[in-house]
Amino acid sequence: DQQVKQNSPSLSVQEGRISILNCDYTNSMFDYFLWYKKYPAEGPTFLISISSIKDKNEDGRFTVFLNKSAKHLSLHIVPSQPGDSAVYFCAASGTGNQFYFGTGTSLTVIP
Amino acid sequence: GAGVSQSPRYKVAKRGQDVALRCDPISGHVSLFWYQQALGQGPEFLTYFQNEAQLDKSGLPSDRFFAERPEGSVSTLKIQRTQQEDSAVYLCASSPTFYQGETDTQYFGPGTRLTVL
Repeated sequence: DQQVKQNSPSLSVQEGRISILNCDYTNSMFDYFLWYKKYPAEGPTFLISISSIKDKNEDGRFTVFLNKSAKHLSLHIVPSQPGDSAVYFCAASGTGNQFYFGTGTSLTVIP
Repeated sequence: GAGVSQSPRYKVAKRGQDVALRCDPISGHVSLFWYQQALGQGPEFLTYFQNEAQLDKSGLPSDRFFAERPEGSVSTLKIQRTQQEDSAVYLCASSPTFYQGETDTQYFGPGTRLTVL
């Protein structure tokens, strides 16, 4: 049973516009959320995280929003750049140290 | 500094063969994780070490899978009598510490792509 879901397998955005990647989770015990970026033939690279005590965390062009009541988080990239083209995974963790990953969203930023 | 490294990067095995996958975590990282990523899926947790202690192996799919980290640094994931369904990318990740109630970021290696024929 998939506890973390990314329902959009792919997304295309024009360079300079905003990219919004979405993620839903089912386990209300999750209290830490992360986004990872993955290029082909490489391991996932940490991008940004958020604790459940916050509803927003910003790092440069990347902002993660958390809506606990809806069990939903999103990653905003603005402005999008061609180098942002990659697969983005959201992940969640609860009382243990195990991360639960979504299936990923492939982002293509069109120059 | 050096990141997490894994070897081999690619492994082809005949069904029934045993394989051993190696992970070198970031120096000084206490926690080490193994994940299995099937094609088109996200990484799925296999097992977790804190130093040399294997604290969680709930994700190992069968008793053919075995992991060890005898000196608290390098780890080996061994798969015995490989089956075709074992074909996947095996990712290793490490994190510096384990804080109760707060999760550290995990840093991933490039993975080992295992193909079982």
